[in-house]
Amino acid sequence: KAGVTQTPRYLIKTRGQQVTLSCSPISGHRSVSWYQQTPGQGLQFLFEYFSETQRNKGNFPGRFSGRQFSNSRSEMNVSTLELGDSALYLCASSLSGSGYTFGSGTRLTVV
Amino acid sequence: AQSVTQPDIHITVSEGASLELRCNYSYGATPYLFWYVQSPGQGLQLLLKYFSGDTLVQGIKGFEAEFKRSQSSFNLRKPSVHWSDAAEYFCAAENYGGSQGNLIFGKGTKLSVKP
Repeated sequence: KAGVTQTPRYLIKTRGQQVTLSCSPISGHRSVSWYQQTPGQGLQFLFEYFSETQRNKGNFPGRFSGRQFSNSRSEMNVSTLELGDSALYLCASSLSGSGYTFGSGTRLTVV
Repeated sequence: AQSVTQPDIHITVSEGASLELRCNYSYGATPYLFWYVQSPGQGLQLLLKYFSGDTLVQGIKGFEAEFKRSQSSFNLRKPSVHWSDAAEYFCAAENYGGSQGNLIFGKGTKLSVKP
């Protein structure tokens, strides 16, 4: 079965712009969570959605937001980009109690 | 605060040698525990997970991990390392019962394999 699909794989944006990243979970998985990975901070939890509702949120500023659609696909948005937002953004989907399957990530570079 | 610690930032082993990567956690109650592997520029692949029961867990690619409650540890082992095992390894934990996607990760251990 298909894995977790993240698009696009690479993005280059300018400071001050906004960006939207997409994640399609494994079919049947209703939970989608997002993580930011940077060399300095490592892997940090952004937020988690289940059945279109945000159930959990990490410690990130309000510029980071997300949503989930009725087909479980999820998007995350970052507004007013800063240089420090350059990172690998990973999405994971989960079927309750089974662990998390990660996508290949979106590499965002802010210049 | 809840935390996961991987004491070794970088480990180099010879091909064919055994491997042990260390992981310690600090949680109020025994969490769910995971090991993931990441190749450069790629996402995370789940190697194995521990929820409860048998404390020795078998995973993919010949890896296993042992949960030791008394030491708050969940160390990853492999009896014979292959060159293709060179990657970064992450230990992660989640509140028992699941906490809605909030995995806490260690900083990772980078594994290099000498021919």
